[in-house]
Amino acid sequence: EAQVTQNPRYLITVTGKKLTVTCSQNMNHEYMSWYRQDPGLGLRQIYYSMNVEVTDKGDVPEGYKVSRKEKRNFPLILESPSPNQTSLYFCASSLSFGGTGGSGANVLTFGAGSRLTVL
Amino acid sequence: KQEVTQIPAALSVPEGENLVLNCSFTDSAIYNLQWFRQDPGKGLTSLLLIQSSQREQTSGRLNASLDKSSGRSTLYIAASQPGDSATYLCAVNRGSGGSNYKLTFGKGTLLTVNP
Repeated sequence: EAQVTQNPRYLITVTGKKLTVTCSQNMNHEYMSWYRQDPGLGLRQIYYSMNVEVTDKGDVPEGYKVSRKEKRNFPLILESPSPNQTSLYFCASSLSFGGTGGSGANVLTFGAGSRLTVL
Repeated sequence: KQEVTQIPAALSVPEGENLVLNCSFTDSAIYNLQWFRQDPGKGLTSLLLIQSSQREQTSGRLNASLDKSSGRSTLYIAASQPGDSATYLCAVNRGSGGSNYKLTFGKGTLLTVNP
């Protein structure tokens, strides 16, 4: 089944304890992206990657790191989590987002979400 | 900076009604616009994507239109059903400033279809 898989789905941690949220897709998609969803603020883009070894900042990158060493994986790293990073996180991918592959290639597939609580 | 607004924030209708959800954006230099559905506790599911060169897209009972010049998109749902109850989000792929890779979301419309 074509899907985007995030882990963990739920995590409670403490301030300053480094954590990684993994994201993996099995569709050979070039584009992957991370978002956070907060009440009253909606979904905001954290980082995105156009392809292996190519990443760029979204609207709210502070406090996060990413890497794209393999096409299928795009982990989100919180080096020193703080309570304001408590949120619902989503990973998404598409074949060729923003590229010339036509409308089908731009459709985003989302993971089920990872709910993170930082105490 | 692109801003996306969705009105209304919440909508409750009886089953069988046709309804329209609205999305407006401030920068008309977009690459495309997508409508998503989000069920409680779940991820987002893409419903329709309209490229900037298109005026509308249809899928089953759903029809999305795009008017770039006025910065508006609508999602029309025909013959609504209780299973349509969800939050509907629109998202704009911004072209202004040279980046086709960034996405700006509206805050969504919470739709409830009553049996």
